[in-house]
Amino acid sequence: AQSVSQHNHHVILSEAASLELGCNYSYGGTVNLFWYVQYPGQHLQLLLKYFSGDPLVKGIKGFEAEFIKSKFSFNLRKPSVQWSDTAEYFCAVNAGNAGNMLTFGGGTRLMVKP
Amino acid sequence: NAGVTQTPKFQVLKTGQSMTLQCAQDMNHNSMYWYRQDPGMGLRLIYYSASEGTTDKGEVPNGYNVSRLNKREFSLRLESAAPSQTSVYFCASRRGSQSNQPQHFGDGTRLSIL
Repeated sequence: AQSVSQHNHHVILSEAASLELGCNYSYGGTVNLFWYVQYPGQHLQLLLKYFSGDPLVKGIKGFEAEFIKSKFSFNLRKPSVQWSDTAEYFCAVNAGNAGNMLTFGGGTRLMVKP
Repeated sequence: NAGVTQTPKFQVLKTGQSMTLQCAQDMNHNSMYWYRQDPGMGLRLIYYSASEGTTDKGEVPNGYNVSRLNKREFSLRLESAAPSQTSVYFCASRRGSQSNQPQHFGDGTRLSIL
């Protein structure tokens, strides 16, 4: 069974700091990878996704993620965070053999101090 | 632009009571999903419906039943609620069954079982 690990459970940054959130998955075959964001009191929204091509993916609000197949990783980055980026971030993986099953990591709660 | 609509938004139940959570999407999506979100555990799939007329178990189906009433609606039923089912429940939908397509989420139902 596929699994997804997000090692940072809580991250606190000051505005303008750089962000990198780790995501590692366990499946060795073809994968489709997603980052979702959940702002306080809201539903999950898609930040970005990777399914083929350029391993550096750009998403909304200045976020990007890099797929490194050899490391089974899909880390999320942003060069300069803003207070409005305070949210919980979820990495999710849909392995090629898992059909409709999307597996989520445990989430990383980011707080950006103004 | 309603997207995915869940009702109710909040509910408190006593142990042993039954309840149905409703979900409807207006995007003509084929696949629908029910997740539960618990602190530190991300989202876990309870049941999903790849298309109208079909349902399948996810990661944590015990204690739940689902009905795909039509293409728009996918309900989740707790026959005899238990405190362990206290959680936030999210419904999601996806246009097709291809694993590279993102899921769209509702606003969630916060359920407390006393």
